Amino acid sequence: DGGITQSPKYLFRKEGQNVTLSCEQNLNHDAMYWYRQDPGQGLRLIYYSQIVNDFQKGDIAEGYSVSREKKESFPLTVTSAQKNPTAFYLCASTLTGQNNEQFFGPGTRLTVL
Amino acid sequence: EDQVTQSPEALRLQEGESSSLNCSYTVSGLRGLFWYRQDPGKGPEFLFTLYSAGEEKEKERLKATLTKKESFLHITAPKPEDSATYLCAVQAPNDYKLSFGAGTTVTVRA
Repeated sequence: DGGITQSPKYLFRKEGQNVTLSCEQNLNHDAMYWYRQDPGQGLRLIYYSQIVNDFQKGDIAEGYSVSREKKESFPLTVTSAQKNPTAFYLCASTLTGQNNEQFFGPGTRLTVL
Repeated sequence: EDQVTQSPEALRLQEGESSSLNCSYTVSGLRGLFWYRQDPGKGPEFLFTLYSAGEEKEKERLKATLTKKESFLHITAPKPEDSATYLCAVQAPNDYKLSFGAGTTVTVRA
């Protein structure tokens, strides 16, 4: 089955800790994205990557970091500099040059204790 | 800056009671308008892409339409399984990101 997987489903973090959220896709998609979802708000873009070894900041990149060493993988690190990290994090991917529909993973819910 | 406003925030329907959701947008040109369905605690599921005013797309009980300023998602004779949050997003030309609205949460009672 082709798709996007995210792990873990739930993640708890103590203040001051860095945590890394995993995102893997086997759709052979070129571009990958990280969004943050908070209650009552639209999805907000954190980072995106169109090709391996290249990525760009989205609208709310402060306190986050990413890497894109492989086409299939786009991990997101939530650093201790992110002041309000409790949220639902969604990874998405798309084929560039096509209809540009983004397909989403199941999400990771991060809670700061 | 691209803006997307969805209304109403919440919609409660009786099974079989048709209704429409609105997505108003402001974007410099439109590369595409996207509708997604999201169930609680899950990732959004892609429904439709619309590209130009006048375009319509259908899937089961859902029909999406597009004008130059807004899109409607019509739900015909809804069933309880249509209960979900429906998200609208727009993409500007030469832009890889989507700008999302806050969504409309639809609850269909049997």
